[in-house]
Amino acid sequence: EIVMTQSPATLSLSPGEGATLSCRASRGVANNLAWYQRKPGQAPRLLVYGGSTRAAGIPARFSGTRSGAEFTLTISSLQSEDSAVYYCQQYNTWPAFTFGPGTKVDI
Amino acid sequence: EVQLVESGGGLVQPGRSLTLSCAASGFTFEGYAMHWVRQAPGKGLEWVSGISRNSVNFGYVDSVKGRFTISKDNAKNSLYLHMGNLRPEDTALYYCARENYYGSLDVWGQGTTVTVSS
Repeated sequence: EIVMTQSPATLSLSPGEGATLSCRASRGVANNLAWYQRKPGQAPRLLVYGGSTRAAGIPARFSGTRSGAEFTLTISSLQSEDSAVYYCQQYNTWPAFTFGPGTKVDI
Repeated sequence: EVQLVESGGGLVQPGRSLTLSCAASGFTFEGYAMHWVRQAPGKGLEWVSGISRNSVNFGYVDSVKGRFTISKDNAKNSLYLHMGNLRPEDTALYYCARENYYGSLDVWGQGTTVTVSS
């Protein structure tokens, strides 16, 4: 089983600041990595897939990158509605997907 | 409108069974692989099970292997999760989700809650 780790566990930031969320897999997942946003009372929302491709309708302030084994979700110019828990997920080992533990972003 | 609607959750005693359903609409259901994902109280997201678009391939997280069975009825545009020998640790909000062409989960239902307790 591929284990996903995320850091930090919590981020507390102010509106207009930028956020950098990290995700690492216990072994290679190629670019088969997605990011999701989960707000209380709502279903998870796909933000990024393929490590760096924004999903349909996702604002440009959300961007995903990969450097070696580490994946990063960057949220530029944070807005209050960006308060949520963000999860990374690998889908390299179909169908045995695994999620990271999440990063909580407080604005 | 693309939509997934889960049903079938509820309160069940340990050791009993429950079957969740997910009704799909607004897209060609037979063309997509589907998954179940859960979130226990105070915990993160956990992938539970997935099935290929033609039901040939499927898989489960280790903790439910031998107890849960996923199935897909393309004629009824429905996904199912039969959960047997339920344990308190299976208590969670269960989501069904559609896998897009790239492998990620692009459409989610609102979830159905399963509580396993005596």
